[in-house]
Amino acid sequence: NAGVMQNPRHLVRRRGQEARLRCSPMKGHSHVYWYRQLPEEGLKFMVYLQKENIIDESGMPKERFSAEFPKEGPSILRIQQVVRGDSAAYFCASHEAAGAGYGYTFGSGTRLTVV
Amino acid sequence: QKEVEQNSGPLSVPEGAIASLNCTYSDRGSQSFFWYRQYSGKSPELIMSIYSNGDKEDGRFTAQLNKASQYVSLLIRDSQPSDSATYLCAVNGGKAAGNKLTFGGGTRVLVKP
Repeated sequence: NAGVMQNPRHLVRRRGQEARLRCSPMKGHSHVYWYRQLPEEGLKFMVYLQKENIIDESGMPKERFSAEFPKEGPSILRIQQVVRGDSAAYFCASHEAAGAGYGYTFGSGTRLTVV
Repeated sequence: QKEVEQNSGPLSVPEGAIASLNCTYSDRGSQSFFWYRQYSGKSPELIMSIYSNGDKEDGRFTAQLNKASQYVSLLIRDSQPSDSATYLCAVNGGKAAGNKLTFGGGTRVLVKP
C-alpha cells in the first residue's frame, strides 16, 4: 500500500528553465494539497486540488506557477522560468475526502535547486 | 491573515527530561490541531492530532488543547536523542478555510545525551 509518491526527489534547474514536480496520491485519494518549504521555515500552503478541479489556489504565486490534477495520472506542479528564490522543498499530501479532522500524510518531497 | 505561531528554538533538553513545546493560533474557527515531526532533509511526519479541549496522550507524547486561549502544546516525556528534530504545529481551519492546514514555523528540539 504505497503512500504519497513524489518525483523527482531532487531537481536541479538553471534560471529560466521549467520545473515539473509530480505527486501521485495514495490509492483512492482524490484530494491533493501542495506546500512549499523554504530553508529554515515552516510549510506554506500553495494549492488544493481535486480530480480535474482547482479548489483553492490562494497560496500560489500569480505568475509562473500552475498546478493540475487530471482525471488520470499524477498531480503536476509546474514552475516556469525558475528563479533562485524558487529553490525550496515542495511537498504534497493527499486524502480521500475533505474534512477538518484530517491530518495529512505527506510525500517525501521534491527538493528544487535553481542554479 | 490566519497565523500559527511557535517559538523557533532551539529548545535544548537533557536526555530523559520533558520537552515542552507551545503553539498559538489566531483563527477561533479552527477545528483540529496537529503536531508533525520533521527530521532534517525529510518530510513532516504526523505524530499527534487533537480535536477537543484537554489532554491526549500517545506513548511519550501528550498534546494539550485550550481553545479559549487559542493554545496547543506538545509534551515529550523521557526525551531521547532520536527526538531531536523540528516540531511543526498545524491547524485546520475547517470548511470555511478550505480544510487546509496552516503551519507554524516550527520549534527545533535538541536532546543532549
